[in-house]
Amino acid sequence: DQQVKQNSPSLSVQEGRISILNCDYTNSMFDYFLWYKKYPAEGPTFLISISSIKDKNEDGRFTVFLNKSAKHLSLHIVPSQPGDSAVYFCAAIPTGNQFYFGTGTSLTVIP
Amino acid sequence: EAGVTQSPTHLIKTRGQQATLRCSPISGHTSVYWYQQALGLGLQFLLWYDEGEERNRGNFPPRFSGRQFPNYSSELNVNALELEDSALYLCASSLWGTGSSYEQYFGPGTRLTVT
Repeated sequence: DQQVKQNSPSLSVQEGRISILNCDYTNSMFDYFLWYKKYPAEGPTFLISISSIKDKNEDGRFTVFLNKSAKHLSLHIVPSQPGDSAVYFCAAIPTGNQFYFGTGTSLTVIP
Repeated sequence: EAGVTQSPTHLIKTRGQQATLRCSPISGHTSVYWYQQALGLGLQFLLWYDEGEERNRGNFPPRFSGRQFPNYSSELNVNALELEDSALYLCASSLWGTGSSYEQYFGPGTRLTVT
């Protein structure tokens, strides 16, 4: 049972435009959410996180939005750069420190 | 500072054999997590070790097991290998018990192929 879902397996965006990656979850007990970026042949690297008590967190070009009523999470990248091309995973944690990951969205930023 | 390391990079086994994968966490990190990433699937949580003890395990059969050593390194064992065990196995570490424990740092993974 996939408790964290990323329904778009891939996304292509022009350089300089906004990339929006989406994530939906089913478990209302999740209280912390993270986004990871993964390049081929490397492990995922932490990108940005948000606590369930917030609805927005911003770090440079990256902003994560949380809509708890819709159980929806999104990552905005503005402006998108070719180096952002990677697979992005969202993850969620209930209490207990077990991560639940989505299936990933492959982002391609076209120069 | 050295990151999370995993060995071997690639591992080829035949069905029914046993596989052993190793992970060294970032210095000072006490928690080690194991994940399986099969083709087309996200990262599936396997096991979590902290201070030498198994804290939690995901929905995997008992033939997936592991341990954590006094130096916090960890080993994942997969017995009676099946073809569907072919996947990328990722290890991550974190510093449990602090505000940064939610951030896990991943190794490059071990690609296990079962033929």
